[in-house]
Amino acid sequence: GAGVSQTPSNKVTEKGKYVELRCDPISGHTALYWYRQSLGQGPEFLIYFQGTGAADDSGLPNDRFFAVRPEGSVSTLKIQRTERGDSAVYLCASSPTTGPLEYGYTFGSGTRLTVV
Amino acid sequence: AQTVTQSQPEMSVQEAETVTLSCTYDTSESDYYLFWYKQPPSRQMILVIRQEAYKQQNATENRFSVNFQKAAKSFSLKISDSQLGDAAMYFCAYRTLTGNQFYFGTGTSLTVIP
Repeated sequence: GAGVSQTPSNKVTEKGKYVELRCDPISGHTALYWYRQSLGQGPEFLIYFQGTGAADDSGLPNDRFFAVRPEGSVSTLKIQRTERGDSAVYLCASSPTTGPLEYGYTFGSGTRLTVV
Repeated sequence: AQTVTQSQPEMSVQEAETVTLSCTYDTSESDYYLFWYKQPPSRQMILVIRQEAYKQQNATENRFSVNFQKAAKSFSLKISDSQLGDAAMYFCAYRTLTGNQFYFGTGTSLTVIP
């Protein structure tokens, strides 16, 4: 696609439920990143994929958070037993393997998750 | 650990005037990258300008320029001839030379007054 697509744009869920957030990166981008942006904060790194594998998952806050990218394209961020503190905007970004990283580092418009 | 601090939660500027947004950071690295990103209400983060720490010359992109003071670990953004479309959240960010993640500040909300 022309840009990074994230669905849904907004998601409201009840405390304790399971949610999945989807990211469709730019075609051909091998690197994919997830960030979490809480209210009044800057984005915070969660996880980075190179191809199908998670190259760095050091930002995942706990074992309720998990992400996959089975075919090296679309990625899904999964959150189990959601808590009110999980409410945030979840941003996805992708980049090509070659070239200056930041010039190809494209963000999506995020999913706003609200846990009630 | 790398930290990025933006001490101005909100700023405002008259249309066509100049405004400067402040940013300081902490790192033990000698070489790294610094960035300013713009986040409009659409939520998409848009790269405004970047600076390599090993370059002494301040980066410039059209109406946007930076004042990079490496010893002071300061990295401010100057917006000249402000336009209504410049209204947004602005985030200062840091990245190591080899790292893949950005470290962002808490942002400055810029209002442009017609």
